[in-house]
Amino acid sequence: QQQVKQSPQSLIVQKGGISIINCAYENTAFDYFPWYQQFPGKGPALLIAIRPDVSEKKEGRFTISFNKSAKQFSLHIMDSQPGDSATYFCAAKGGTSYGKLTFGQGTILTVHP
Amino acid sequence: DGGITQSPKYLFRKEGQNVTLSCEQNLNHDAMYWYRQDPGQGLRLIYYSQIVNDFQKGDIAEGYSVSREKKESFPLTVTSAQKNPTAFYLCASTSGQGRETQYFGPGTRLLVL
Repeated sequence: QQQVKQSPQSLIVQKGGISIINCAYENTAFDYFPWYQQFPGKGPALLIAIRPDVSEKKEGRFTISFNKSAKQFSLHIMDSQPGDSATYFCAAKGGTSYGKLTFGQGTILTVHP
Repeated sequence: DGGITQSPKYLFRKEGQNVTLSCEQNLNHDAMYWYRQDPGQGLRLIYYSQIVNDFQKGDIAEGYSVSREKKESFPLTVTSAQKNPTAFYLCASTSGQGRETQYFGPGTRLLVL
């Protein structure tokens, strides 16, 4: 019930292309869905987040799409750049977790120039 | 500068030895968290603390211990009972009324000699 499943495990995209990473969850009590970006040897940093009362949120080249009925959400990176090469984690929080996040397994994104 | 510091960056443990990882934050956050990161497994919660002198086990607490004597500090001890300690350890803290945005430190990589 607490799992968040993320796919794909790795993704290779050409510069200028669209990167898409998907996540699925089971716990309907989740009410906050962030995406984190992590560069090698560094801690993750919040990239963008969404609540289930909206279906889409966009910040610059990054967009979250949210499908509440399917219990799925995805990250789209438009015009992908080599500097976007990193590991991306989706996560979810809600219910009585009081700040506790449940993370997906991570996606290693490589953007070729 | 406000943020989370973790030390050391690299730590080596000998068989049967306890080692302590430091985490300090000057963000005035109440809640702090310890995660373990292994390749392909995302971030798994070890322990978390919502207030000083209080902490709860996460999903993989066996072989670890923590203390929270000061608001700013949340050290993690990897005990000899943890048979597979080699991993990247991340400390985080949360801000805001909903305690949603987690800020991560730079991490400590623990290796076994």
